[in-house]
Amino acid sequence: NAGVTQTPKFRILKIGQSMTLQCTQDMNHNYMYWYRQDPGMGLKLIYYSVGAGITDKGEVPNGYNVSRSTTEDFPLRLELAAPSQTSVYFCASSKTGGFSYEQYFGPGTRLTVT
Amino acid sequence: GDSVTQMEGPVTLSEEACLTINCTYTATGYPSLFWYVQYPGEGLQLLLKATKADDKGSNKGFEATYRKETTSFHLEKGSVQVSDSAVYFCALESGSARQLTFGSGTQLTVLP
Repeated sequence: NAGVTQTPKFRILKIGQSMTLQCTQDMNHNYMYWYRQDPGMGLKLIYYSVGAGITDKGEVPNGYNVSRSTTEDFPLRLELAAPSQTSVYFCASSKTGGFSYEQYFGPGTRLTVT
Repeated sequence: GDSVTQMEGPVTLSEEACLTINCTYTATGYPSLFWYVQYPGEGLQLLLKATKADDKGSNKGFEATYRKETTSFHLEKGSVQVSDSAVYFCALESGSARQLTFGSGTQLTVLP
Protein backbone atom coordinates (compact mmCIF):
# COMPACT_ATOMS: atom_id res chain seq x y z
CA ASN A 1 0.00 0.00 0.00
CA ALA A 2 1.85 3.10 -1.25
CA GLY A 3 -0.48 5.70 0.33
CA VAL A 4 0.12 9.17 -1.11
CA THR A 5 2.96 9.52 -3.60
CA GLN A 6 4.38 12.74 -5.02
CA THR A 7 6.78 13.40 -7.86
CA PRO A 8 9.28 14.88 -8.28
CA LYS A 9 11.01 15.05 -4.88
CA PHE A 10 13.07 18.08 -5.83
CA ARG A 11 12.95 20.60 -8.66
CA ILE A 12 14.66 23.83 -9.57
CA LEU A 13 12.78 26.15 -11.93
CA LYS A 14 13.75 29.37 -13.57
CA ILE A 15 11.46 32.37 -13.23
CA GLY A 16 8.66 32.16 -15.77
CA GLN A 17 8.89 28.41 -16.33
CA SER A 18 5.94 26.09 -15.73
CA MET A 19 5.67 22.66 -14.19
CA THR A 20 3.22 20.14 -12.83
CA LEU A 21 3.57 18.51 -9.43
CA GLN A 22 2.10 15.04 -9.47
CA CYS A 23 0.10 13.49 -6.62
CA THR A 24 -1.46 10.03 -6.55
CA GLN A 25 -3.20 8.14 -3.77
CA ASP A 26 -4.22 4.47 -3.75
CA MET A 27 -6.58 4.54 -0.77
CA ASN A 28 -9.73 5.43 -2.72
CA HIS A 29 -10.05 8.70 -0.80
CA ASN A 30 -12.41 11.27 -2.23
CA TYR A 31 -10.89 14.28 -0.49
CA MET A 32 -7.50 15.56 -1.65
CA TYR A 33 -5.53 18.68 -0.77
CA TRP A 34 -2.47 20.66 -1.77
CA TYR A 35 -0.52 22.58 0.87
CA ARG A 36 2.64 24.62 0.79
CA GLN A 37 5.07 24.90 3.67
CA ASP A 38 7.37 27.90 3.82
CA PRO A 39 10.43 27.82 6.12
CA GLY A 40 9.47 28.12 9.78
CA MET A 41 5.79 28.30 8.94
CA GLY A 42 2.81 26.03 9.13
CA LEU A 43 1.18 24.55 6.06
CA LYS A 44 -1.18 26.70 4.02
CA LEU A 45 -3.93 25.24 1.84
CA ILE A 46 -3.61 25.98 -1.88
CA TYR A 47 -6.45 23.96 -3.44
CA TYR A 48 -8.63 21.06 -2.47
CA SER A 49 -10.99 18.59 -4.10
CA VAL A 50 -13.94 16.65 -2.69
CA GLY A 51 -14.12 14.25 -5.63
CA ALA A 52 -13.33 13.73 -9.28
CA GLY A 53 -14.31 16.78 -11.30
CA ILE A 54 -14.69 19.05 -8.24
CA THR A 55 -12.01 21.47 -7.08
CA ASP A 56 -11.98 24.63 -5.01
CA LYS A 57 -9.56 27.31 -3.87
CA GLY A 58 -7.91 27.32 -0.49
CA GLU A 59 -6.14 30.12 1.32
CA VAL A 60 -3.30 30.77 -1.18
CA PRO A 61 -4.42 29.74 -4.71
CA ASN A 62 -2.84 32.54 -6.78
CA GLY A 63 -0.33 31.29 -9.32
CA TYR A 64 -1.58 27.70 -9.21
CA ASN A 65 -4.13 25.52 -10.96
CA VAL A 66 -5.44 22.04 -10.29
CA SER A 67 -7.52 19.38 -11.97
CA ARG A 68 -9.10 16.18 -10.71
CA SER A 69 -10.08 13.86 -13.54
CA THR A 70 -9.78 10.66 -11.48
CA THR A 71 -10.18 9.74 -7.82
CA GLU A 72 -6.50 8.79 -7.61
CA ASP A 73 -4.74 11.79 -9.15
CA PHE A 74 -4.64 15.45 -8.16
CA PRO A 75 -1.91 17.34 -10.07
CA LEU A 76 -0.90 20.90 -9.18
CA ARG A 77 0.15 23.17 -12.03
CA LEU A 78 2.45 26.17 -11.61
CA GLU A 79 2.26 28.66 -14.47
CA LEU A 80 4.92 31.35 -14.78
CA ALA A 81 6.92 30.36 -11.72
CA ALA A 82 7.97 33.15 -9.37
CA PRO A 83 10.53 33.20 -6.50
CA SER A 84 7.62 33.53 -4.04
CA GLN A 85 6.61 29.99 -5.01
CA THR A 86 9.82 28.55 -3.57
CA SER A 87 8.45 26.19 -0.96
CA VAL A 88 7.84 22.58 -0.01
CA TYR A 89 4.57 21.27 -1.43
CA PHE A 90 2.57 18.54 0.25
CA CYS A 91 -0.34 16.61 -1.13
CA ALA A 92 -2.77 14.93 1.27
CA SER A 93 -5.92 12.83 1.12
CA SER A 94 -8.64 11.70 3.49
CA LYS A 95 -11.75 9.56 3.63
CA THR A 96 -15.26 10.90 3.34
CA GLY A 97 -18.25 10.10 5.47
CA GLY A 98 -18.41 10.62 9.20
CA PHE A 99 -16.11 13.39 10.35
CA SER A 100 -12.61 14.17 11.43
CA TYR A 101 -10.77 11.54 9.52
CA GLU A 102 -6.98 11.70 9.41
CA GLN A 103 -5.34 13.37 6.46
CA TYR A 104 -2.56 11.26 4.92
CA PHE A 105 0.36 13.24 3.59
CA GLY A 106 2.81 12.54 0.82
CA PRO A 107 6.57 13.02 1.32
CA GLY A 108 6.59 16.43 -0.33
CA THR A 109 8.16 18.19 -3.31
CA ARG A 110 10.86 20.75 -2.60
CA LEU A 111 10.68 23.47 -5.25
CA THR A 112 13.17 26.27 -5.77
CA VAL A 113 12.47 29.10 -8.23
CA THR A 114 15.50 31.19 -9.19
CA GLY B 1 -11.25 33.28 10.02
CA ASP B 2 -9.97 30.26 11.87
CA SER B 3 -6.48 30.37 13.28
CA VAL B 4 -4.09 28.37 15.43
CA THR B 5 -1.42 29.90 17.64
CA GLN B 6 1.35 27.61 18.69
CA MET B 7 4.24 27.98 21.09
CA GLU B 8 7.29 29.11 19.21
CA GLY B 9 10.42 27.03 19.21
CA PRO B 10 12.85 25.69 18.95
CA VAL B 11 12.60 23.63 22.11
CA THR B 12 15.61 21.65 23.32
CA LEU B 13 15.23 19.10 26.12
CA SER B 14 17.28 16.37 27.69
CA GLU B 15 16.08 12.80 27.42
CA GLU B 16 13.43 11.91 30.03
CA ALA B 17 12.45 15.55 30.54
CA CYS B 18 8.78 16.62 30.51
CA LEU B 19 7.38 18.30 27.42
CA THR B 20 4.57 20.80 26.99
CA ILE B 21 3.87 22.56 23.70
CA ASN B 22 1.11 25.14 23.96
CA CYS B 23 -1.60 25.50 21.34
CA THR B 24 -4.61 27.80 21.31
CA TYR B 25 -7.14 28.30 18.58
CA THR B 26 -9.77 30.69 17.28
CA ALA B 27 -12.67 29.16 15.39
CA THR B 28 -16.39 29.26 14.85
CA GLY B 29 -18.07 26.46 16.72
CA TYR B 30 -16.19 23.48 18.06
CA PRO B 31 -13.77 22.13 15.48
CA SER B 32 -11.87 18.89 15.75
CA LEU B 33 -8.29 19.41 16.88
CA PHE B 34 -5.15 17.56 15.84
CA TRP B 35 -1.47 17.25 16.52
CA TYR B 36 0.66 16.22 13.55
CA VAL B 37 4.36 15.36 13.67
CA GLN B 38 6.94 15.82 10.93
CA TYR B 39 10.19 13.86 11.15
CA PRO B 40 13.16 15.18 9.18
CA GLY B 41 12.71 14.82 5.44
CA GLU B 42 9.23 13.33 5.73
CA GLY B 43 5.62 14.36 5.33
CA LEU B 44 3.29 14.98 8.26
CA GLN B 45 1.82 12.12 10.28
CA LEU B 46 -1.15 12.27 12.60
CA LEU B 47 -0.02 12.01 16.22
CA LEU B 48 -3.36 12.38 18.02
CA LYS B 49 -6.73 14.06 17.74
CA ALA B 50 -9.78 15.10 19.76
CA THR B 51 -13.20 15.73 18.29
CA LYS B 52 -15.15 17.34 21.14
CA ALA B 53 -14.71 19.29 24.34
CA ASP B 54 -12.96 17.44 27.18
CA ASP B 55 -11.82 14.66 24.84
CA LYS B 56 -8.26 13.53 25.46
CA GLY B 57 -6.23 12.31 22.51
CA SER B 58 -3.23 10.09 23.20
CA ASN B 59 -0.59 8.19 21.27
CA LYS B 60 3.02 7.09 21.82
CA GLY B 61 3.01 8.61 25.32
CA PHE B 62 1.80 12.01 24.07
CA GLU B 63 -1.47 13.48 25.32
CA ALA B 64 -3.59 16.52 24.62
CA THR B 65 -6.96 17.56 26.08
CA TYR B 66 -9.54 19.62 24.19
CA ARG B 67 -10.32 22.57 26.50
CA LYS B 68 -13.27 24.55 25.23
CA GLU B 69 -13.19 27.12 28.01
CA THR B 70 -9.60 28.13 27.25
CA THR B 71 -9.72 27.21 23.50
CA SER B 72 -6.55 25.20 24.00
CA PHE B 73 -5.09 21.84 23.01
CA HIS B 74 -1.67 21.65 24.63
CA LEU B 75 0.60 18.69 23.80
CA GLU B 76 2.27 16.92 26.73
CA LYS B 77 4.62 14.04 27.30
CA GLY B 78 6.02 12.95 30.63
CA SER B 79 9.37 11.63 29.44
CA VAL B 80 10.73 12.48 26.00
CA GLN B 81 13.13 10.34 24.01
CA VAL B 82 15.73 11.23 21.40
CA SER B 83 13.43 9.65 18.81
CA ASP B 84 10.78 12.31 19.59
CA SER B 85 12.93 14.96 17.91
CA ALA B 86 10.71 16.39 15.18
CA VAL B 87 8.49 19.34 14.29
CA TYR B 88 5.06 19.30 15.91
CA PHE B 89 2.06 21.04 14.37
CA CYS B 90 -1.24 21.85 16.02
CA ALA B 91 -4.19 22.03 13.62
CA LEU B 92 -7.93 22.46 13.54
CA GLU B 93 -10.39 21.09 11.03
CA SER B 94 -13.12 23.17 9.46
CA GLY B 95 -15.04 23.71 6.25
CA SER B 96 -17.13 21.43 4.10
CA ALA B 97 -14.03 19.56 2.90
CA ARG B 98 -12.52 19.34 6.39
CA GLN B 99 -9.61 21.55 5.55
CA LEU B 100 -6.87 21.85 8.14
CA THR B 101 -5.60 25.14 9.52
CA PHE B 102 -2.12 24.71 10.96
CA GLY B 103 -0.07 26.47 13.58
CA SER B 104 3.46 27.50 12.67
CA GLY B 105 5.05 24.37 14.13
CA THR B 106 7.41 23.77 17.04
CA GLN B 107 10.81 22.21 16.48
CA LEU B 108 11.70 19.81 19.29
CA THR B 109 15.22 18.50 19.78
CA VAL B 110 15.87 15.91 22.48
CA LEU B 111 19.47 15.43 23.54
CA PRO B 112 20.80 12.14 24.96
